This record gives sequence, C-alpha cells and structure tokens, in this order.
Amino acid sequence: DTGVSQDPRHKITKRGQNVTFRCDPISEHNRLYWYRQTLGQGPEFLTYFQNEAQLEKSRLLSDRFSAERPKGSFSTLEIQRTEQGDSAMYLCASSFTGDTEAFFGQGTRLTVV
Amino acid sequence: AQSVTQPDIHITVSEGASLELRCNYSYGATPYLFWYVQSPGQGLQLLLKYFSGDTLVQGIKGFEAEFKRSQSSFNLRKPSVHWSDAAEYFCAVGYNNNDMRFGAGTRLTVKP
Repeated sequence: DTGVSQDPRHKITKRGQNVTFRCDPISEHNRLYWYRQTLGQGPEFLTYFQNEAQLEKSRLLSDRFSAERPKGSFSTLEIQRTEQGDSAMYLCASSFTGDTEAFFGQGTRLTVV
Repeated sequence: AQSVTQPDIHITVSEGASLELRCNYSYGATPYLFWYVQSPGQGLQLLLKYFSGDTLVQGIKGFEAEFKRSQSSFNLRKPSVHWSDAAEYFCAVGYNNNDMRFGAGTRLTVKP
C-alpha cells in the first residue's frame, strides 16, 4: 500500500460545471476525511466517514457538495455548479478509529475559471 | 471556540541555523497538538504530536516541540536546518481528526 491516493491531481473546470474527485485511503483504515485548503490557509474540515457512514459534515459543505463512500473503501467528493470560490486544494486523509494520526493524500487542486 | 494562531507567515533562515516556529492555541480543554509539514505539491506529513505527559516531544526529521500550558503555546524547533526543510508548516489542535483545527501555516525558506 503506497498511502492515500487522490485522483485527479489537478482539475480545471468552467464555472457552472460539475466535478468529481476520488480518494483511495490506506486499505485497512476505516475512517476517511475530506478537507479543503485555500491559498495561504490551513486545511479546513469538510466531512468524514467511518466505514460507509458519513458521520459529520461541516457547515462549509454547502448543498452543492456531496460526498460518498459506498462500500467503505474509496470515497468521492462531487461539487455541482462550481463557483470560482470553490477553487482550492481538496485533501483526503484516512486513519483507524481512535487513532489520532491521519495520513493525507497529495490533494486535488481545483481551479474554476 | 478553538483556534490556532501561527504568528509568522514566512520565515527565512540560513542552512545550519536553528529554527523556531511559533504556535498559539485557544481550546476549551487540554488539547491534542500536532505539527504537520507540507512540501510543494504534496500532502501533509505528521512531524510530531502531543497528547499528555512529557511536554517536550520529539518528532521525525530532527524536529521537536514543547508544550507550554501557561503560554498556550506549542512551538516547533530544530537545532540545525537543512535545505530540504524548506516547506510549509502547519500547527493543528484538536481531539479527533474530524475536530482538528489548523493554523494558517508558516512558510520556511532556507538560504544556502
């Protein structure tokens, strides 16, 4: 296992289009997190899953955002009707339940033009 | 409300010099404290973490951090910086990973 992987690494999209990102966590990890990082800021928590259950969503996650983890393995984050303010790095992380160390992927950089 | 402040946006040090990156936090209870490093185009890598016990914590790559409850600080230090340490450093506070708050980061530049 090479760690948390995210696809794509970069995405440029036009305003109003939908985009979907994928995260493959470390295989034995049951928790999966999504963060957003804008330029000059630290990561901000968006949502997390324990297995296939989405247990918490930040108020940053507007109704245009949806995340799934259908089989408790990989996860997708979809943004509908993208806006320029959605331009950011989207980071995925995974961990064991109760383990405070999360391992981060390299992120997907989204640019909305 | 919990928050993390990294007062220095950008620090430049010479290779071989010592380094201290500052972090102050506000949290309702005794927090868990973390330092992460992010190289360009990379994800975040955990350098070290503090939960309880000895207030001086050793991490990877020769880094250490000291928890000072009276000052609400968790500063990161390294006695001798290497060129490969140039990166963005983030302090974070929280209990679980879903409750983690990150600072805005400090960008470290290393002069030859």
